[in-house]
Amino acid sequence: ILNVEQSPQSLHVQEGDSTNFTCSFPSSNFYALHWYRWETAKSPEALFVMTLNGDEKKKGRISATLNTKEGYSYLYIKGSQPEDSATYLCASSGSNDYKLSFGAGTTVTVRA
Amino acid sequence: GAGVSQSPSNKVTEKGKDVELRCDPISGHTALYWYRQSLGQGLEFLIYFQGNSAPDKSGLPSDRFSAERTGGSVSTLTIQRTQQEDSAVYLCASSLNNIQYFGAGTRLSVL
Repeated sequence: ILNVEQSPQSLHVQEGDSTNFTCSFPSSNFYALHWYRWETAKSPEALFVMTLNGDEKKKGRISATLNTKEGYSYLYIKGSQPEDSATYLCASSGSNDYKLSFGAGTTVTVRA
Repeated sequence: GAGVSQSPSNKVTEKGKDVELRCDPISGHTALYWYRQSLGQGLEFLIYFQGNSAPDKSGLPSDRFSAERTGGSVSTLTIQRTQQEDSAVYLCASSLNNIQYFGAGTRLSVL
């Protein structure tokens, strides 16, 4: 199981502001990096799956980048809205390994 | 279509009691996972089922934990003689390819 770390643990953002946070993972034996959004009392929702170094993915106002050589991924939220308030989880998997190793999450609170 | 369904959504039990948590995966998904999230921790892998293969139980924290998957569909996670440290959110996920689809979880509180 890989050791995945996320920072910061939590952050507060004013509505309309942009923000970003980090996921770091061991770069050796890397296969894929997953981002999930987990709203209170709901199921974690898959946002992105990335595998290639330099990958960038976008979904609406949310985007993510991946650096597999140095072992980090950034998630960006542009023009934050209250509905973006959630815990964002990243998870990494190694080659030939179906298990996901999750970070503890970054909890984002968007203030109106 | 229907997503992953877990029941109950909340469970409060007394220390020493047994509990059973249920997961209904997405129809047709061959892989099923159980995770738990304790306060302040990341999601911790517990067990993995894939088709008819022997399950990967390497994440189960003790022999008080067991899980089965009947008919390749519904799964139950059983915790015997619950302890306070078992209090957590227990999540189930199913997948057909590389993406795991999660249920809303069962919040277990052991008093």
